[in-house]
Amino acid sequence: QQQVKQSPQSLIVQKGGISIINCAYENTAFDYFPWYQQFPGKGPALLIAIRPDVSEKKEGRFTISFNKSAKQFSLHIMDSQPGDSATYFCAASRGFSGGYNKLIFGAGTRLAVHP
Amino acid sequence: EAGVAQSPRYKIIEKRQSVAFWCNPISGHATLYWYQQILGQGPKLLIQFQNNGVVDDSQLPKDRFSAERLKGVDSTLKIQPAKLEDSAVYLCASSLGQGATGELFFGEGSRLTVL
Repeated sequence: QQQVKQSPQSLIVQKGGISIINCAYENTAFDYFPWYQQFPGKGPALLIAIRPDVSEKKEGRFTISFNKSAKQFSLHIMDSQPGDSATYFCAASRGFSGGYNKLIFGAGTRLAVHP
Repeated sequence: EAGVAQSPRYKIIEKRQSVAFWCNPISGHATLYWYQQILGQGPKLLIQFQNNGVVDDSQLPKDRFSAERLKGVDSTLKIQPAKLEDSAVYLCASSLGQGATGELFFGEGSRLTVL
């Protein structure tokens, strides 16, 4: 129940296309869903995050879509660029409900954007 | 602003040897984390400190792993004796608050290879 399942494992997209990465969770107590981006040899960095009281959050070319009833959320990268080539991790926690809870990461999606 | 510093970046040891990793978090960040990232997997929390105290070490293999955070600033993670399955990148992260709902700032990691 603590797992966050991420798919696909890898993704190849042409420059200018849309990249879509999906995550699913079981624990309905989760109330914070961030996405982290990791370049080779670097640590993950926060990209965008959402809480379940909204269904969508957009920051530039990056959008999180959230479906509370299906317990799923996804990252959409519009107009994908070669510089977006990285590994993307979804994560979840229930930190807003009070008390401590750790951030659970998905297994990651390796995105390659071809020119 | 300086980021999270980690050393060494790379370490190769024989099984049953010991190794230590060092982390210096962002100045003023009260919370420090050690994550283990095995190739092809998402980061897994090993231990979380809030100032000097341990908040969560439930996934730390305490028979071989130890960590300390002296004076609420720098931290060291030690593995003794190392096993082949300890080969991974050890990521240190810090955050202002307790972190489950805030941004985690990661270092570049220490890559351990156990032969």
